[in-house]
Amino acid sequence: GDSVTQMEGPVTLSEEAFLTINCTYTATGYPSLFWYVQYPGEGLQLLLKATKADDKGSNKGFEATYRKETTSFHLEKGSVQVSDSAVYFCALTHSGYALNFGKGTSLLVTP
Amino acid sequence: SAVISQKPSRDICQRGTSLTIQCQVDSQVTMMFWYRQQPGQSLTLIATANQGSEATYESGFVIDKFPISRPNLTFSTLTVSNMSPEDSSIYLCSVDVDSSNEQFFGPGTRLTVL
Repeated sequence: GDSVTQMEGPVTLSEEAFLTINCTYTATGYPSLFWYVQYPGEGLQLLLKATKADDKGSNKGFEATYRKETTSFHLEKGSVQVSDSAVYFCALTHSGYALNFGKGTSLLVTP
Repeated sequence: SAVISQKPSRDICQRGTSLTIQCQVDSQVTMMFWYRQQPGQSLTLIATANQGSEATYESGFVIDKFPISRPNLTFSTLTVSNMSPEDSSIYLCSVDVDSSNEQFFGPGTRLTVL
């Protein structure tokens, strides 16, 4: 079955550092890929998505590119802020089906 | 997009009791999903609820423990029955708007069972 693997956390970075959170997937066909973010004490928010190979999703300075050849969807940000501290979930779905989530990566950004 | 509300937002319950969680969407949707997020964990799908049919449960979840209703295209309930402390989790509903591949989540119901 489908699965998502993302790097274990927690990840601790200084403000303005470069962020990469790795995500790889196993799936049949061509799933859509997502990054969701969960800020402390809040619900789950969609951060960005990509629906086909080579698509790049971007939002709030975060980017991720759908790489079919490496089955990856790594999340990157050039300069993180304290307000980016949250848990980040990589996920995939096929149209009309539920999301399959990775285990989540906790990010802490220090001043 | 879709705006989703859940009630209650949180509750503390005694073991052996049941709690019904409501999920209301501001537009008609075909697919609704219920997830559980145990403390410090990722989200696990409990069941898929389509209007007019029985919910489809994932492995490890059964209807007697988590009965679901889906009376119309904007509303669903999940009941957590005969609760134990292991049921302490955040329960979230989500919707897939017109099979757009983009799912929107409710704010969650934080359940603590004593």
